[in-house]
Amino acid sequence: GQQVMQIPQYQHVQEGEDFTTYCNSSTTLSNIQWYKQRPGGHPVFLIQLVKSGEVKKQKRLTFQFGEAKKNSSLHITATQTTDVGTYFCAGDRGSTLGRLYFGRGTQLTVWP
Amino acid sequence: NAGVTQTPKFQVLKTGQSMTLQCAQDMNHNSMYWYRQDPGMGLRLIYYSASEGTTDKGEVPNGYNVSRLNKREFSLRLESAAPSQTSVYFCASNGGQAFFGQGTRLTVV
Repeated sequence: GQQVMQIPQYQHVQEGEDFTTYCNSSTTLSNIQWYKQRPGGHPVFLIQLVKSGEVKKQKRLTFQFGEAKKNSSLHITATQTTDVGTYFCAGDRGSTLGRLYFGRGTQLTVWP
Repeated sequence: NAGVTQTPKFQVLKTGQSMTLQCAQDMNHNSMYWYRQDPGMGLRLIYYSASEGTTDKGEVPNGYNVSRLNKREFSLRLESAAPSQTSVYFCASNGGQAFFGQGTRLTVV
């Protein structure tokens, strides 16, 4: 079954509004990663969170890793049309196989 | 430094035809993956290879075979294509973070 749940599946916002997507894992993760896929493109790595309770920022994007290392969120402040795309979280269980468990993604649409 | 190179970018097959999707990475990564992406379904893992000479099934392996030819190359084969295999296919390699190829848009008619 789905190892990493991600919600919402779709989000439509007006430019300037905030946006948040959430991920929840059924198991403790060694780290969680976030990717962005622009329409027609391929997923591109954004960031990795490793520590319990970690918070990282990239300009208007804020990433959090839960205390139990089972959940994470990505928050975008004051969205812009350039933020359009699908955002994926990917959980790493820390096995030597190097397998990542991807959430189904949140597709963000931003109206101008 | 090309990263992950995937070929072809587009392909149309007739039902029952076979084809091989090629993938190569130049980052010396051990782990490589094949995903398919369908609307609303996210990235579903078909097969992965943790190292040269090993392969394992992912979530949706039926109808596919893979070959880890060497550390650089990981190919995906459709022996008898079906319309249900119409999708976008991504190859990726993992060296701590995943690097994706540009994708192959496959249509089976």
